[in-house]
Amino acid sequence: RKEVEQDPGPFNVPEGATVAFNCTYSNSASQSFFWYRQDCRKEPKLLMSVYSSGNEDGRFTAQLNRASQYISLLIRDSKLSDSATYLCVVNLPYNNNDMRFGAGTRLTVKP
Amino acid sequence: GAVVSQHPSWVICKSGTSVKIECRSLDFQATTMFWYRQFPKQSLMLMATSNEGSKATYEQGVEKDKFLINHASLTLSTLTVTSAHPEDSSFYICSARLRRPVWADTQYFGPGTRLTVL
Repeated sequence: RKEVEQDPGPFNVPEGATVAFNCTYSNSASQSFFWYRQDCRKEPKLLMSVYSSGNEDGRFTAQLNRASQYISLLIRDSKLSDSATYLCVVNLPYNNNDMRFGAGTRLTVKP
Repeated sequence: GAVVSQHPSWVICKSGTSVKIECRSLDFQATTMFWYRQFPKQSLMLMATSNEGSKATYEQGVEKDKFLINHASLTLSTLTVTSAHPEDSSFYICSARLRRPVWADTQYFGPGTRLTVL
């Protein structure tokens, strides 16, 4: 099983749609979870951290389910500018707390 | 805050030459920096973890003699691709870790270096 697995995508949605991405991780001891956004030919940028109680930042909501080792990202009222690849990131507590990236899910929001 | 720079942003070189890429944390001290490689349409792959003042830890399958890493100070790490081959052409990205506290540490990425080996 991969350390971090994401929906393969791609997701093609119209403007205004709600879209959800899922991510599972293999190490139950992981404590840090993040969603990063990467635009084409650019570096990843932190979108939001994921907290146990779930957290919201504007149109973006992140959820964590420790029992199922599952993370989600919900984007409401999609904008054209949301088009990017979304990376799920999880720490590895047994390995210097390094981070492992999922393969990413490509989102394209169309007019 | 938490700005990471990389230099150069792109480089083209001939096979057999060596290329050095610098990664700097501009407004914070980074005890740990990471080097990633990303091929087109693929995810980031961790190459090595660089701790200031000690030897880098390389991921399985990454040749430490080919990818030389030096973390000389708390704000600078360098990656040198030695005897570059066309298959080394890739997007190399560094990141620096900001720890506050450990369970909430976050990585900040440099803008990346696009290497093309002819």
